[in-house]
Amino acid sequence: DVKVTQSSRYLVKRTGEKVFLECVQDMDHENMFWYRQDPGLGLRLIYFSYDVKMKEKGDIPEGYSVSREKKERFSLILESASTNQTSMYLCASSSFSGKSWYEQYFGPGTRLTVT
Amino acid sequence: ELKVEQNPLFLSMQEGKNYTIYCNYSTTSDRLYWYRQDPGKSLESLFVLLSNGAVKQEGRLMASLDTKARLSTLHITAAVHDLSATYFCAVDSPEGAQKLVFGQGTRLTINP
Repeated sequence: DVKVTQSSRYLVKRTGEKVFLECVQDMDHENMFWYRQDPGLGLRLIYFSYDVKMKEKGDIPEGYSVSREKKERFSLILESASTNQTSMYLCASSSFSGKSWYEQYFGPGTRLTVT
Repeated sequence: ELKVEQNPLFLSMQEGKNYTIYCNYSTTSDRLYWYRQDPGKSLESLFVLLSNGAVKQEGRLMASLDTKARLSTLHITAAVHDLSATYFCAVDSPEGAQKLVFGQGTRLTINP
């Protein structure tokens, strides 16, 4: 079974802090994604990565950066956390499979509160 | 720009009834994914539909894809409370199949 893990389920940070959210997958997937989910807004893609050291902006990259130094790990960084970044953050990974194409597998999520 | 629209966004139904959730998308795609999300939890993959006319069934849920109409349906048969969740459809992005574009989600509540 594909397993995607995230470093924290719940996180509380103060405004202005630098925040790291870590995601690890164990299936050798080349693609990894960071989304945020807010009520009424669905899932919005922040950044994604096709390969180690590769990154692409998603729909809402402002205020975020990412790092992918190893294939299995994709980190989301909030350089200076703000209250409008309070949200549920979901990591996902995928790889091509003839059976399921690019089905994405999601981690458990990190609920971040910025006070 | 690809748009993926689900309807209804909210659905409250009684146990034992049948209903259908619709997922429309605005540009050509041959593949569509359905996910389920329980409150406070992450997304779980339900179905992957890979071609026009594809139909998949799991228990009381059945999904189908009509690529010509750019429409997928998720049909619920004889609903039970355990199916209460939010259901998302997603389609390959025109920018590359590795990227998915998600619908807004349909929050389904099944009452006894």
